[in-house]
Amino acid sequence: DVKVTQSSRYLVKRTGEKVFLECVQDMDHENMFWYRQDPGLGLRLIYFSYDVKMKEKGDIPEGYSVSREKKERFSLILESASTNQTSMYLCASTPRSKSYSGANVLTFGAGSRLTVL
Amino acid sequence: AQSVTQLDSHVSVSEGTPVLLRCNYSSSYSPSLFWYVQHPNKGLQLLLKYTSAATLVKGINGFEAEFKKSETSFHLTKPSAHMSDAAEYFCVVSEPGANNLFFGTGTRLTVIP
Repeated sequence: DVKVTQSSRYLVKRTGEKVFLECVQDMDHENMFWYRQDPGLGLRLIYFSYDVKMKEKGDIPEGYSVSREKKERFSLILESASTNQTSMYLCASTPRSKSYSGANVLTFGAGSRLTVL
Repeated sequence: AQSVTQLDSHVSVSEGTPVLLRCNYSSSYSPSLFWYVQHPNKGLQLLLKYTSAATLVKGINGFEAEFKKSETSFHLTKPSAHMSDAAEYFCVVSEPGANNLFFGTGTRLTVIP
């Protein structure tokens, strides 16, 4: 019954390394999101994508990039990891929102906990 | 602009007593409002959703929330806490036609035996 799969639950990387976090959904959703979760700060949106090859910056895009080559897959890339990127990363997806109906329910993956040493 | 404020970062209740988790929102339009729950080491799960239908919304596990436009609030309640309710709860707001959502900073609920 898995719907949103994040490829790695736990990663440990060194400062300066390139990091890929992969997310795959099997619900044919148009929208996909990457959030980071930190204690006391809740979830903050890094990037989202509303279609293949389309992306929009969220609240905290600095130091991150994304790739959406296929509808089901949304990758988060840290070009040069830094210690302040140690965090829990959550991927989510929703169907496209119809006008005036508000956002749809997010389906989340289990999260990827990244530690940068 | 949309935003949401969760008034308590941590709430502690005894098992069997009522739960109240407070949420205030800011929105220029009639918003959609959500409560999500995150159990330890798990992903977020939807508890309930308000989208301009009935103002009292019932969710899973006995939780409910009431939309009060005059108070711009969407507080989450449960009559009797269970140990399994211990988790972090997030209030979320979105505006019509939006594809993005805005999260509160979360409230950690502790249930004391």
